[in-house]
Amino acid sequence: SQQGEEDPQALSIQEGENATMNCSYKTSINNLQWYRQNSGRGLVHLILIRSNEREKHSGRLRVTLDTSKKSSSLLITASRAADTASYFCAPEGGSYIPTFGRGTSLIVHP
Amino acid sequence: DSGVTQTPKHLITATGQRVTLRCSPRSGDLSVYWYQQSLDQGLQFLIQYYNGEERAKGNILERFSAQQFPDLHSELNLSSLELGDSALYFCASSGDGKETQYFGPGTRLLVL
Repeated sequence: SQQGEEDPQALSIQEGENATMNCSYKTSINNLQWYRQNSGRGLVHLILIRSNEREKHSGRLRVTLDTSKKSSSLLITASRAADTASYFCAPEGGSYIPTFGRGTSLIVHP
Repeated sequence: DSGVTQTPKHLITATGQRVTLRCSPRSGDLSVYWYQQSLDQGLQFLIQYYNGEERAKGNILERFSAQQFPDLHSELNLSSLELGDSALYFCASSGDGKETQYFGPGTRLLVL
């Protein structure tokens, strides 16, 4: 299916450390998006990376995409307690509808 | 603030009842999406509308229906509610249906 699968399911780190989350998917995509969700709140869009792009940066965020391996990664550098949230990847196929996995739950300890 | 608004924020109702959730997209966005998020199913795509017309359908139950009005706001109608329908319901909007989706804050539905 198009659904992204994030790994790890949960990640616990100290403030200042880097956090890396991985995403795998099964079919070809047009775009892949990363979202953040604070507990019980709406999803916040982080980065959209297109299938012909390999890397994208936004502030402390770095997203890579390897279409040959059908995988993506999200790196958060110099993490802060405020980064504590669930992170979702959402591959988009021909319909351009993001399909979400279960997410990675990130806890950043002050 | 994404610019997408949803009402109500919380809804508590009983099994068998019918409720309507409302969504106003970001100014200028033509496409509206509905998602359901529950603990056991995760975040599931329900349905997409584009400029008033249904464009794509996901895992939407027959008891659920949606529409998008000429002013582009959308409503999701849930009927014959069951306990398992308790979830967070999100609306999202995008410009032409191929761009980034922006999510609203959600409506938390509790069916007792």
